[in-house]
Amino acid sequence: GENVEQHPSTLSVQEGDSAVIKCTYSDSASNYFPWYKQELGKRPQLIIDIRSNVGEKKDQRIAVTLNKTAKHFSLHITETQPEDSAVYFCAASINNNNDMRFGAGTRLTVKP
Amino acid sequence: DTGVSQDPRHKITKRGQNVTFRCDPISEHNRLYWYRQTLGQGPEFLTYFQNEAQLEKSRLLSDRFSAERPKGSFSTLEIQRTEQGDSAMYLCASSLGQHEQFFGPGTRLTVL
Repeated sequence: GENVEQHPSTLSVQEGDSAVIKCTYSDSASNYFPWYKQELGKRPQLIIDIRSNVGEKKDQRIAVTLNKTAKHFSLHITETQPEDSAVYFCAASINNNNDMRFGAGTRLTVKP
Repeated sequence: DTGVSQDPRHKITKRGQNVTFRCDPISEHNRLYWYRQTLGQGPEFLTYFQNEAQLEKSRLLSDRFSAERPKGSFSTLEIQRTEQGDSAMYLCASSLGQHEQFFGPGTRLTVL
């Protein structure tokens, strides 16, 4: 089955700096890659996703890149703000959205 | 209907007891998913429904776990003969086809 690995497990940046979180996946058939943000005690919320037919997607300060050959994808947050502090999860699935496999999460701390 | 709801939010039970959780998806969503999340980990896929049909089950889902979605709307997850290792947050999510999964607030289960 699919295996998703996520790095780093913790990340601390200064406000205004960029943050990058990387994930790798094992199954080349995976074709849907969402990123979720989970604040303490709250539900995971989708922040951006990418499908295998594109290599990059951007939404304001957030961007995701996908390298299908290397089987890895990354989340980039620019101009970080303290409210970006949360746990971020990457995920991968085959057949778009079914049987989603999540990474272990990255705890991002943005210091003011 | 403002989102996915789950009931109860918290459940404390003694080992060996049965528990049942309920999930109400966003009304027009045809897909419903169950996940389990333990501290410091990403959600682990358990099972998913398309309308009333249970289409996929994880190998994590032992015989003590059963899920239903009898009318294609709300779903229940039952755990029989609970064990301490079942203690976790149980998350439900729903989606409209292959689009974004929206998560509920979760049911936190503690098995004493």
